[in-house]
Order: sequence, then structure tokens, then C-alpha cells
Amino acid sequence: GAVVSQHPSWVICKSGTSVKIECRSLDFQATTMFWYRQFPKQSLMLMATSNEGSKATYEQGVEKDKFLINHASLTLSTLTVTSAHPEDSSFYICSAKRYATEAFFGQGTRLTVV
Amino acid sequence: QKEVEQDPGPLSVPEGAIVSLNCTYSNSAFQYFMWYRQYSRKGPELLMYTYSSGNKEDGRFTAQVDKSSKYISLFIRDSQPSDSATYLCAMSEEGAQKLVFGQGTRLTINP
Repeated sequence: GAVVSQHPSWVICKSGTSVKIECRSLDFQATTMFWYRQFPKQSLMLMATSNEGSKATYEQGVEKDKFLINHASLTLSTLTVTSAHPEDSSFYICSAKRYATEAFFGQGTRLTVV
Repeated sequence: QKEVEQDPGPLSVPEGAIVSLNCTYSNSAFQYFMWYRQYSRKGPELLMYTYSSGNKEDGRFTAQVDKSSKYISLFIRDSQPSDSATYLCAMSEEGAQKLVFGQGTRLTINP
């Protein structure tokens, strides 16, 4: 399968600071990338869909100004959690689509805000 | 009613058993069906991908899609302790960007 690399794997930050998470498709070009949030023992919650060169489409209830998404190239999307607070602590996962259908996931980023 | 229903389990079986995991769905427009395996604290890994109805086999894994019943299955033969993980079904419509996921089934294979 195709490889999607997500960095960092885990990060601890202080409340009020911003954190950037990178998602790269290593061996294919991804026209569409997705960002998910996952709570313990729960399924994936889609936060936003990101297309290269255009603004991200956010799901209902997701704060656009808090979760900034940039999809600058066909192989890179970033999620920036701005002014992070403890309630933003979670497992964030990106996904990239190859062709029209197959979606491959990064290894996830565990964010802890203290 | 959720668009995709999946029993969260947990499901516990002895090593070597045949495992059957299932999802039902309500949207008849779904055409693409996927199964992902997710280990704890890791991203999901694509196991099987099927278009429309039919069966697909890959090693110990077999995926089945029955669109008439809106029912998909994943079978794992000769299950191993390393198969212990959460299994997520996912599906999408033709031309759709987003995947719709099931809740995931937690599976434990006991040695």
C-alpha cells in the first residue's frame, strides 16, 4: 500500500500555545487529504477535508480558527491547533486519498496539552 | 439511525478460529467498501478494498459485499494473536470524497 507519514507522533505543549502537525504522502500524489480526531475507544471523527490549493472544508462543529489546515502541495497537508487547551488533547490522524477511492492513513499524533 | 452500523464488541476468540466481522449500512449509493485494522495508538491500516458486490481474498482475509442486503463482512482464517486490534469498516459513494466509518470492532485473539 501507499505510505502516509505523519509527524510528530506525539507532542506535549503548554496551554495557550500552537502546535503544527504535518501529513505527507511519500510515494503518491494526494489530491485530497482528511484530518480526523479520535477519542479513546471511539471511531474516527472527521474534522475537515482538504484539497490541494484550496480552502479546507470543515465538518459541522469544528472551529475553523482553532484548527487551521493548509494543503500547500499534492504531498503535504498541515494541521495547526491554535491556542491549544487541555480539551484539545486527543489523537489526531491524517488520511490521503490515492486515485478516487483508496484512502491511506498516517500513524497519528497524540497531542497532550498541559 | 447511523449510516453505517458495526458492533463494537469486544470480540474474543481462541487462536486458530475463523473470525467474522460485519457491518450493515443504509445508503444504497455506497459503491466502495473498505476494511481497516487499527492497533492501539496507531493509525488505521487498509486491509481490504472492494468495489460493488462480490468477494475478495487476500491471504487469510476475505471480504464480502452483499449490496442487496446492504451487508459487508470480513473473515479472518487461522486467526493469530497479532490480529488482535480494532477493525473498522468504511464505505463511500461513487465520486464522493469522504469515507463513512463504522464504530469499529475490538477483536482479541487468545493464544
